Amino acid sequence: GQQVMQIPQYQHVQEGEDFTTYCNSSTTLSNIQWYKQRPGGHPVFLIQLVKSGEVKKQKRLTFQFGEAKKNSSLHITATQTTDVGTYFCADTGGGNKLTFGTGTQLKVEL
Amino acid sequence: NAGVTQTPKFQVLKTGQSMTLQCAQDMNHNSMYWYRQDPGMGLRLIYYSASEGTTDKGEVPNGYNVSRLNKREFSLRLESAAPSQTSVYFCASSATRNEQFFGPGTRLTVL
Repeated sequence: GQQVMQIPQYQHVQEGEDFTTYCNSSTTLSNIQWYKQRPGGHPVFLIQLVKSGEVKKQKRLTFQFGEAKKNSSLHITATQTTDVGTYFCADTGGGNKLTFGTGTQLKVEL
Repeated sequence: NAGVTQTPKFQVLKTGQSMTLQCAQDMNHNSMYWYRQDPGMGLRLIYYSASEGTTDKGEVPNGYNVSRLNKREFSLRLESAAPSQTSVYFCASSATRNEQFFGPGTRLTVL
């Protein structure tokens, strides 16, 4: 089956540093959704990217979809302690089912 | 508007016991899903239901059964629990091809 890989698995940053997580697939992705899961919590939807090369911003978060639709990234500028959690990408596969990436766990130190 | 609710929040079972995890949503969504989450594995789809009256297998269906009782409710049953089923279970719902809304999860331990 399709696999969606995310790197890095873990990232430890100082507050104020930037953070990026990458989502990669060997096959073409349909639409990409990004979710955030706080420690002990449940995944919460952040955004969906649909078009090749698409870039969307939400305050300090920037989401990109690769030109070939085989990768996506989430970049956080000037991390804050509220950014702590695990970030997942998910491919919609053109239907209702999501294939989730393995996730990147972000820890932010003061 | 409670969103997606799950019961129980925590459960400890012995090997071989059975149990049903309950899930309900009040957003009038057609699609509902059951996932399991294990460390380093992300979320893996167990079963899903595209609409009332239909269910289909996901990536890891073995050892589980589901029932889409009505549009609101989607239950997951473990007939004979095994230690490999120790995990966190999430239910989710969505309108067609849209974002998924997740419940708070059930933390299951099988001894």
